[in-house]
Formats: sequence, structure tokens, C-alpha cells
Amino acid sequence: DAGITQSPRHKVTETGTPVTLRCHQTENHRYMYWYRQDPGHGLRLIHYSYGVKDTDKGEVSDGYSVSRSKTEDFLLTLESATSSQTSVYFCAISPAEPSYEKLFFGSGTQLSVL
Amino acid sequence: QQPVQSPQAVILREGEDAVINCSSSKALYSVHWYRQKHGEAPVFLMILLKGGEQKGHEKISASFNEKKQQSSLYLTASQLSYSGTYFCGTEGGGANNLFFGTGTRLTVIP
Repeated sequence: DAGITQSPRHKVTETGTPVTLRCHQTENHRYMYWYRQDPGHGLRLIHYSYGVKDTDKGEVSDGYSVSRSKTEDFLLTLESATSSQTSVYFCAISPAEPSYEKLFFGSGTQLSVL
Repeated sequence: QQPVQSPQAVILREGEDAVINCSSSKALYSVHWYRQKHGEAPVFLMILLKGGEQKGHEKISASFNEKKQQSSLYLTASQLSYSGTYFCGTEGGGANNLFFGTGTRLTVIP
């Protein structure tokens, strides 16, 4: 199994508070992704990174920011959490662009915003 | 950019076959297939590349029609372990990201 760890695994927070989710990898993979999963919507891309300090937006990036200061860590921040951001968040990593290489997913973070 | 999957759900008896379809409105370079068990992370099954190169799983096959921007996943002689939600992921070439469909829930019963 790929060495990818998400923390925390579960979090409950209140509307309006900032929240940071962490994705840590030990594979030295270049690409890292944050997806959210909601019933009826499948997996939707929030942000992704193709190298240290190189990030870009996905299809549902509003209200989220990311940072990648080291190869192994990719942080997702909800600047001011809202109830619509209640979801399961998955981090994924890949050694190369998805034209050629598969994604490895972390175990997910269940986030509840009350 | 999210691809469309069909059917949304299917129930099979052990030993039966199933086909899951994935289509995109954009030109595709590659298509990925993943399976997710309830409460777990998605797991890679297969990647299909433009030009016909295929990688992946031994007992599940797939096709990729570049002109129609479609892919199909074939599950033959289904087993109980095939149960889960299947996702296709697509990208258009030269992109650094992957967009997933809404998933197909497959249930195999004895």
C-alpha cells in the first residue's frame, strides 16, 4: 500500500471556524490532490499540486485554499467552514501526471460542520 | 468536465455479467477506473490510454473508444467481492488532474 496518511480522520467543527486537513505521503510522489465526496456527486476535485509550491484549482475550489511547502505534505484549509462543506475529503497522490499513472488514495477525513 | 456514468446502480447474482459505461463531452487522452468499498478509499483498477494501450486488473476488462469519448468496464462472472461503487476518471491530455464520474453502485448477491 502507498504510504499516504490523512489527519484527522474525523472532525466536527462549527460554522465560521477555520479548519485544516493534512495529507502526508512517504512515497516522494510529485502529484497530490484533494477531492471531496458527496452522495450523488461522486468525487470532485478541489485543488491539486504538481510540485512544491505549485498548486492549481479544481472544479469546486471556492472556500478552500491549499499549501505545499514540502513534497510530502499537502494541506487543505477551509477558511471559514460552512455546512455545505460537510463531506468526506480524500487526498490522493501520483508519481506522474494522470495521463499515465494511477492515483493512490488516502483513507479519507469525515468532516462535519455544524 | 465531469464524465457521465451509467447505470447509476445495478444488482447482479453471482456469476452474471455487467457493463458500466463512462462518457465525456471532451476529447480524452486516458480513462481510469476505480472501485470503492463502503467506508473505504477508492482503489485503482485500470487505466486505458489513447492509442489502445491498456493496463490494470486481471479479471476485469475495459475498452476505450477515443472517437466517441467513451469507455466501458466489463465485469464477467461476477463475484461477491466485486460489490462496491465504480468510478471512471478522465483527463484530456496534458492536464495534471483527473475528473471523476458520479459512480455506479454494483451489488452482487448470492
